Amino acid sequence: QKEVEQDPGPLSVPEGAIVSLNCTYSNSAFQYFMWYRQYSRKGPELLMYTYSSGNKEDGRFTAQVDKSSKYISLFIRDSQPSDSATYLCAMKPVMEYGNKLVFGAGTILRVKS
Amino acid sequence: DTEVTQTPKHLVMGMTNKKSLKCEQHMGHRAMYWYKQKAKKPPELMFVYSYEKLSINESVPSRFSPECPNSSLLNLHLHALQPEDSALYLCASSQDRGRTRKSREQFFGPGTRLTVL
Repeated sequence: QKEVEQDPGPLSVPEGAIVSLNCTYSNSAFQYFMWYRQYSRKGPELLMYTYSSGNKEDGRFTAQVDKSSKYISLFIRDSQPSDSATYLCAMKPVMEYGNKLVFGAGTILRVKS
Repeated sequence: DTEVTQTPKHLVMGMTNKKSLKCEQHMGHRAMYWYKQKAKKPPELMFVYSYEKLSINESVPSRFSPECPNSSLLNLHLHALQPEDSALYLCASSQDRGRTRKSREQFFGPGTRLTVL
């Protein structure tokens, strides 16, 4: 079993739809949860960051963490064609510079105009 | 300056060549990372440098040799690579004791797309 599971998609939605992206994980020691967006042939860009359980909102993006279920989500409201990218969840146990990020496989999102 | 830069953007090399990838950041970050990313796969950690010292080596073959000449620069020296080493090589950096948790997150460069013939 992988430490982090993420459906690779692709997920295709019409413009304006609400998108839900999810990851599950098995290591209960994970405390820090990130979502990265990666456009084709580019490096990953940090989108959202959450510590422990709870919600965090930034513009059209909302990140949720449910540690009891070991489940994290990223919601994108009013999705745009420019949101088309691969979304990677990542997590790690402690907030130290040397700690290794564990990535999900990435979900390919396609928003159609 | 809030970015990580990488050169070259693209590199094609033969199996007998020696080449180097370069990464630079001017955010005052003291941790720098090399990742390898194959198509449609997540990034895989290769090396971590903390305060210019190698702190993590994820059992990477010796044909990849990292170097951290100073706190702003990170190199990856390549020698006798194999075609299966073709991938996107990503550099990232992070602070160690930033004022906020987010400031300690990893910021990625655009990558170098490497093709080994």
